[in-house]
Amino acid sequence: QVQLVQSGAEVKKPGASVKVSCKASGYTFTAYDMNWVRQAPGQGLEWVGWVSPKTGNAGYAQKFQGRVTMTRITSISTVYMELTSLRSEDTAVYFCARGGAGSWDDFWGQGTLVSVSS
Amino acid sequence: DIVLTQSPGTLSLAPWDRATLSCRASQSISSSYLAWYQQKPGQPPRLLIYAASNRATGIPDRFSGSGSGRDFTLTINGLDPEDFAVYYCQQYAGSPKTFGQGTKVEIK
Repeated sequence: QVQLVQSGAEVKKPGASVKVSCKASGYTFTAYDMNWVRQAPGQGLEWVGWVSPKTGNAGYAQKFQGRVTMTRITSISTVYMELTSLRSEDTAVYFCARGGAGSWDDFWGQGTLVSVSS
Repeated sequence: DIVLTQSPGTLSLAPWDRATLSCRASQSISSSYLAWYQQKPGQPPRLLIYAASNRATGIPDRFSGSGSGRDFTLTINGLDPEDFAVYYCQQYAGSPKTFGQGTKVEIK
């Protein structure tokens, strides 16, 4: 069965960086793009960007351009999202979700809480 | 960016009632590019409907989606106690993908 397992919660100080991982199993890793979506406490869902496990190409929401990088390592079926220059407003649960830029998101990771506080 | 506006913000209903949730887009989108998700506290979203009217694998047939252009609807016929949750619509026609702000279906 399809599973997306994310890395554990992170606590960071403002200005720091965080790198969240998402390990896929149960399907051909390179056959589907992966999205990252975040959810601030008590708020709705916000798309951060996508990465192609096949090519390594990535696309980001304009809001995060210059601060986010999405990568993958195909040998271990894992994608990563790195967010730099963290600020308190980046405190959120970050989800990986299988699905391309022009497709729905059919499977989701369990979420990773990133807390940014001084 | 395509803005999705969901209404109502909160729907107070009893088990076995019918729930009708609305999602309006700021511009016309192909029905092929509209999805609905359910989210319960502490859980990731769960795909219910894709391409406006197609149920995802394992989704009960009490869930149905419809609509075109700018207006889309999610209907839940005969609310089950497990259906009380927050529902989001999403468009994936353009970049960035965007979500509505959510409709909470709560027990009356």
